[in-house]
Amino acid sequence: KNEVEQSPQNLTAQEGEFITINCSYSVGISALHWLQQHPGGGIVSLFMLSSGKKKHGRLIATINIQEKHSSLHITASHPRDSAVYICAVRSSGGSNYKLTFGKGTLLTVNP
Amino acid sequence: ETGVTQTPRHLVMGMTNKKSLKCEQHLGHNAMYWYKQSAKKPLELMFVYNFKEQTENNSVPSRFSPECPNSSHLFLHLHTLQPEDSALYLCASSQAGTSRTYEQYFGPGTRLTVT
Repeated sequence: KNEVEQSPQNLTAQEGEFITINCSYSVGISALHWLQQHPGGGIVSLFMLSSGKKKHGRLIATINIQEKHSSLHITASHPRDSAVYICAVRSSGGSNYKLTFGKGTLLTVNP
Repeated sequence: ETGVTQTPRHLVMGMTNKKSLKCEQHLGHNAMYWYKQSAKKPLELMFVYNFKEQTENNSVPSRFSPECPNSSHLFLHLHTLQPEDSALYLCASSQAGTSRTYEQYFGPGTRLTVT
């Protein structure tokens, strides 16, 4: 079982819908990352957080350390949001450089 | 994103070939990473270099040989690969530190096919 589990694996939405992608992890962490990967491979870091909530444009990331759970929300979704969204964690006490990744959630937003 | 560049973007090689992947970062970072992304699997860390010193080797087979001549350049030398090594190879860079986590910036990746 992967230390980082994402749900759902695949998500299809209509333009304008509110989207939630979930990430659960089984280890103590010092930081959690949300990444976006477009077709073709390039990965962009969206958020890095260790507590609370962060917002950037239409994207919101939250984390509950006690429940070992994070969510990524997209408001007013748009077809250009179609991508794979990846959750990754840095274990507390582990290597400063090693991230453990989830398998990703494939989001498709239809016009 | 032009902060981290990778060449080539696509590579097809036979099992007896020797080739190299190149990564260059223009962000002034001190840590560089190689990742492997296979279909249906999570990203896997292969190697980490911090100030040109290898700090992580995630049990990678010796047919993959990294080289980091300076903080801006990272190579992955490939020889006698197997078909199961076909994957997307991603390079990343970040600031280096011992007391906190820094964001990693990824290159576009090299799509490798081993025939």
